[in-house]
Amino acid sequence: AQKVTQAQTEISVVEKEDVTLDCVYETRDTTYYLFWYKQPPSGELVFLIRRNSFDEQNEISGRYSWNFQKSTSSFNFTITASQVVDSAVYFCALNSGGYQKVTFGTGTKLQVIP
Amino acid sequence: DGGITQSPKYLFRKEGQNVTLSCEQNLNHDAMYWYRQDPGQGLRLIYYSQIVNDFQKGDIAEGYSVSREKKESFPLTVTSAQKNPTAFYLCASRGDSGGNTIYFGEGSWLTVV
Repeated sequence: AQKVTQAQTEISVVEKEDVTLDCVYETRDTTYYLFWYKQPPSGELVFLIRRNSFDEQNEISGRYSWNFQKSTSSFNFTITASQVVDSAVYFCALNSGGYQKVTFGTGTKLQVIP
Repeated sequence: DGGITQSPKYLFRKEGQNVTLSCEQNLNHDAMYWYRQDPGQGLRLIYYSQIVNDFQKGDIAEGYSVSREKKESFPLTVTSAQKNPTAFYLCASRGDSGGNTIYFGEGSWLTVV
């Protein structure tokens, strides 16, 4: 079985603050993929990043950065200098066990206050 | 433009009626998925299809049906047997390349009146 836990239900920050969204996953497979998606108020899920289980290198893309640690089964997402446009629901997801099914966390709603 | 198109965006259904949500993709992806999202909730898998003419039940398939007659199309029918169909429905697809990334359509809002 696979499971994704996003313990933070809602986070509010003031614009320009940094914020980290937590994601903890469970899987017995040695090969798997982890993802982050952004869901703005319009509803569509927008793909942000993919990481495979063999690549623990952290990644930075502009104001976004991701920290993948297999030792703690975590794949955390940090937004630096947050902006109002970052307000959305963010989902962490796991794809393993033959890649047929993807399990999503319950999402973290981020509100950036101007 | 390549992508996933869902229609309609908004749909109202009377109780006892079946409705069909359309999902078309031109990404040449083999796998397609339907998810349901309730307000303030995560995504739950309804059905998925790995290949044409084959599909499997997800976690909440009761009251739903699908077909996969063409690679690019994966329509979802919400039947009258679905007791609480009001929700946001998301269609997605996944190709063999790109590290198994799933891409989503814009979603369809279904409301029972």
